[in-house]
Amino acid sequence: EVQILETGGGLVKPGGSLRLSCATSGFNFNDYFMNWVRQAPGKGLEWVAQIRNKNYNYATYYAESLEGRVTISRDDSKSSVYLQVSSLRAEDTAIYYCTRTATEGPDYWGQGVMVTVSS
Amino acid sequence: DIQVTQSPSSLLASLGERVTITCQTSQSISNNLNWYQQKPGQAPMLLIYYATSLQTGMTSRFSGQYSGRSFTLTITSLEPEDIANYFCLQHYSAPQYTFGAGTKLELK
Repeated sequence: EVQILETGGGLVKPGGSLRLSCATSGFNFNDYFMNWVRQAPGKGLEWVAQIRNKNYNYATYYAESLEGRVTISRDDSKSSVYLQVSSLRAEDTAIYYCTRTATEGPDYWGQGVMVTVSS
Repeated sequence: DIQVTQSPSSLLASLGERVTITCQTSQSISNNLNWYQQKPGQAPMLLIYYATSLQTGMTSRFSGQYSGRSFTLTITSLEPEDIANYFCLQHYSAPQYTFGAGTKLELK
């Protein structure tokens, strides 16, 4: 059974940084691209970042609105993916989801982790 | 960016009723659109991929169709467990995915 679990959320002060973790199991992690997607309160879903697998040289892609403040990384030995977000702003307050990506797009999602940016 | 317009934003329906949700894209994306179901506090679940293909394990009450830039998700006969939020995602411009704003389906 595919399992995806995000951790690392919480309350952060504006200007601070946060590292989200996503632990996976139940599939061959090395074969898949992974994404982070977020949803701000009362807003729609927004794709944040993608990291490809070793076959694609771990290429990374970022949403233009966040580029320069986010870094996605992965550790294949731990079947985990990470999202570092810096210079946090109130508008970064959101539920952050980790998703697996197959050829048909994101298929499995975690339950998400809440990040609140507030003083 | 490819814009995705989803309608309606909310929907009241009765058990047994046929329900239809639509996503319209700002440009042609062929069949590169997925539908997801999300219940409160749960992870989104993939229902339909490539516009018309039913994800393994999902009930055949769900079906997807498309014509041009218009995509529809249909629930043939609403069951209580279908009460959820539904959203679409276009992956034509992967990895710059864009999403519909979602439809909240509630019981009448």
